[in-house]
Amino acid sequence: AQSVTQPDIHITVSEGASLELRCNYSYGATPYLFWYVQSPGQGLQLLLKYFSGDTLVQGIKGFEAEFKRSQSSFNLRKPSVHWSDAAEYFCAVGASGSGNTGKLIFGQGTTLQVKP
Amino acid sequence: GAGVSQSPSNKVTEKGKDVELRCDPISGHTALYWYRQSLGQGLEFLIYFQGNSAPDKSGLPSDRFSAERTGGSVSTLTIQRTQQEDSAVYLCASSPLGRGYTEAFFGQGTRLTVV
Repeated sequence: AQSVTQPDIHITVSEGASLELRCNYSYGATPYLFWYVQSPGQGLQLLLKYFSGDTLVQGIKGFEAEFKRSQSSFNLRKPSVHWSDAAEYFCAVGASGSGNTGKLIFGQGTTLQVKP
Repeated sequence: GAGVSQSPSNKVTEKGKDVELRCDPISGHTALYWYRQSLGQGLEFLIYFQGNSAPDKSGLPSDRFSAERTGGSVSTLTIQRTQQEDSAVYLCASSPLGRGYTEAFFGQGTRLTVV
């Protein structure tokens, strides 16, 4: 069965420090991978996505993620965290190929706290 | 606005009552999804509509849940005989799905509280 695991439920980093949020997926075919961010009281905003091609993808707000097929991972990174990055981050996998429904399987989320 | 619109933003209902949650997708988006976000369960897929195809209802947790999409646009998620475990944020998303996959755009959700 398809699944997404975000091992870290809660992470705290200092402002200006680097950030890496982990995501592992289980999916038999080539996955479509996504990172979404949810700020308090807000809906989900797409940070970046991987469909194919270059395994290092750039997103909004200075985020990037690297698809590593051998490790079934799609970790999210940012070189310098800002206080406004405090939010909940969700990794998700979507079905690929013909006949896919486009529905997403989400990880449990990682809550990021930023210390001044 | 140009985004996915959901109403109401908050809904408090008594146990056993029926509720209807509405979603207005982005104009022109052919695919529409409902998800549920609850404590301890994360984000769960509920149902998916794509054009005139039969909806994918595989995520609906019980027969108390149903959804329809009229005219290929607005969707209503109905929960009958609500239970306390139905308390959650219900998120709607739409995408311009054609062949393959494109990103889903989410609304801000309806927070349902069953008392």
